[in-house]
Amino acid sequence: EVQLVQSGSEVKKPGESLKISCKGSGYSFTSYWIGWVRQMPGKGLEWMGIIYPGDSDTRYSPSFQGQVTISADKSISTAYLQWSSLKASDTAIYYCVRLGSSSLRAHFDYWGQGTLVTVSS
Amino acid sequence: QSVLTQPPSVSAAPGQKVTISCSGSSSNIGNNYVSWYQQLPGTAPKLLIYDNNKRPSGIPDRFSGSKSGTSATLGITGLRTGDEADYYCGTWDSSLSAGVFGGGTKLTVL
Repeated sequence: EVQLVQSGSEVKKPGESLKISCKGSGYSFTSYWIGWVRQMPGKGLEWMGIIYPGDSDTRYSPSFQGQVTISADKSISTAYLQWSSLKASDTAIYYCVRLGSSSLRAHFDYWGQGTLVTVSS
Repeated sequence: QSVLTQPPSVSAAPGQKVTISCSGSSSNIGNNYVSWYQQLPGTAPKLLIYDNNKRPSGIPDRFSGSKSGTSATLGITGLRTGDEADYYCGTWDSSLSAGVFGGGTKLTVL
């Protein structure tokens, strides 16, 4: 059974750094793109970026380029999303997703449970 | 402002049919596959339709998808109160070199 299990909720202050994780299991982690999707409170879904754990090829949405860093450690089948300096506007639920084929244009066939990040002074 | 345009809300009675539209352009829907996601209240989204009209295993045939030109449509028949959710369309945008979503449509089953 394919599973994406994300790390728990976080409460941070503006300016702090953060790294959240997503562990994949039940499939070949290095053969599928993994992505991140943001959902701000009461708002819709936003495509942030994706990484191919097999070779660490990473692509970002222009809206998120330079704002976050996506990485992966294939030895432990885990992908990461990190911020170097959080802002209040980063408050959101972040979903880890798996792309449904080897194409970076593919749909998201599995979703993690979401990680709530709250940034407040 | 989302790249893909969806109606904010739709509603219909139990047992009836509803359609949700998703409008884009040649750089996204016009030349790429469309997928649809259902987000029940308080839960993570779930894949409903991929590659314009394919259903993943376990998704009932009450849900259907179609695409024509730069627009796509999600259809739901035999509506149930359990179908009340937010529905999102998604695709790749070749100009942005990134994925994009619609703004979401809230379905109310009256």
